[in-house]
Amino acid sequence: QSALTQPPSASGSPGQSVTISCTGTSSDVGNYNYVSWYQQHPGKAPKLMIYEVNKRPSGVPDRFSGSKSGNTASLTVSGLQDEDGADYYCSSYAGSKILLFGGGTKLTVL
Amino acid sequence: EVQLVESGGGLVKPGGSLRLSCASSGLAFSNAWMIWVRQPPGKGLEWVGRIKSNSGGGTTDRAEPVKGRFTLSRDDSKNTFYLEMNSLKTEDTAIYYCTTGYSDSSGGYHGDDAFDVWGQGTMVTVSS
Repeated sequence: QSALTQPPSASGSPGQSVTISCTGTSSDVGNYNYVSWYQQHPGKAPKLMIYEVNKRPSGVPDRFSGSKSGNTASLTVSGLQDEDGADYYCSSYAGSKILLFGGGTKLTVL
Repeated sequence: EVQLVESGGGLVKPGGSLRLSCASSGLAFSNAWMIWVRQPPGKGLEWVGRIKSNSGGGTTDRAEPVKGRFTLSRDDSKNTFYLEMNSLKTEDTAIYYCTTGYSDSSGGYHGDDAFDVWGQGTMVTVSS
């Protein structure tokens, strides 16, 4: 059982928007604005997509956005493209536990 | 281009030991915080541990499941980062990735919360 809870799957058609949730507690997601999101294609290393809840590293399309409310963070992918199909993981700084990951969400582009 | 290359993975019996290495190039290694993240086959990511830069105190922290068994170290003269794994258990079976903290465009450094350069991973299998 992962420390942060994500839905195991999500899907959408090309051009649509999809939102993936990441639920933690007041000791991690709810207490720090240090939520990140990673994209992982099969057989590849994870790629940083979002940091500090809603900031994008250089090179990440602005179709990817992040937000947070209380103990739940969210990743929204707008204008879905075929290459967005991948596993997505959230993570949160957690004080003395340092860092927790979510269990991952498999995004399917229909 | 910044590159991280892990090595040292393999098959080991329960109770055995293994040392993983992560060699870096193109990175200001002595200033970097280095992290190990693992991923069991078909499962999610798990943070294993981190070592700060020596200028940052060189402090190590490890996840509870590996405390007392895994040790992180670094050799800045070789631009290499290590994970010494002892008393290995079957549940340690995973791909082990090394990664490094992200330096954002505002000058912030995210050694504990965001990681932007990753190695290709090395597989560790613990089985009798």
